[in-house]
Amino acid sequence: DGGITQSPKYLFRKEGQNVTLSCEQNLNHDAMYWYRQDPGQGLRLIYYSQIVNDFQKGDIAEGYSVSREKKESFPLTVTSAQKNPTAFYLCASSSGTGVGQPQHFGDGTRLSIL
Amino acid sequence: AQSVTQLDSQVPVFEEAPVELRCNYSSSVSVYLFWYVQYPNQGLQLLLKYLSGSTLVESINGFEAEFNKSQTSFHLRKPSVHISDTAEYFCAVSFNAGNNRKLIWGLGTSLAVNP
Repeated sequence: DGGITQSPKYLFRKEGQNVTLSCEQNLNHDAMYWYRQDPGQGLRLIYYSQIVNDFQKGDIAEGYSVSREKKESFPLTVTSAQKNPTAFYLCASSSGTGVGQPQHFGDGTRLSIL
Repeated sequence: AQSVTQLDSQVPVFEEAPVELRCNYSSSVSVYLFWYVQYPNQGLQLLLKYLSGSTLVESINGFEAEFNKSQTSFHLRKPSVHISDTAEYFCAVSFNAGNNRKLIWGLGTSLAVNP
């Protein structure tokens, strides 16, 4: 079955450490997205990519970095510059960024501070 | 500026009762509307969408939503809920404003179905 796989499901970060969240899709989608979800704040867009080797900042990109070297993969690195990284992170993809394209989501990674 | 408002953060309801989850948006351009559902510790799943045509759209599990352009609303309804409908529901609106194709999310409504 096609879908989006996020790993790990749970991740712990130490002070000053960078951590990388994995997102892989086999839907042959061009566009991929990273969201951060905090209780009561809905989904906030961190980064998105419309095509390989290109990505754009979302609303809360500070303290995060991404790469898009392959169509199937869009890893997110939470850097030590992100002072409040504890959250639920969701990766999504869509077949394009056209206005009618729904997004398909992975099951998320929950990041916590040790 | 475009915005999406889900009017209720929490909606408690008894099993087999009807429910309405409200969503209003603000936009000066054409919109496309979505409802997503999120079960605990999972990602979001598309529930239904309105792109064009009939203003009443239905999902396979008994939910429906009606696009009301004059009231700028896209409320989600179900005539009889089940315990398994307990989840977080998100309304999202897509706008086409030049090169900025953006999806705006509501803050979510937590539906709690009690026996």
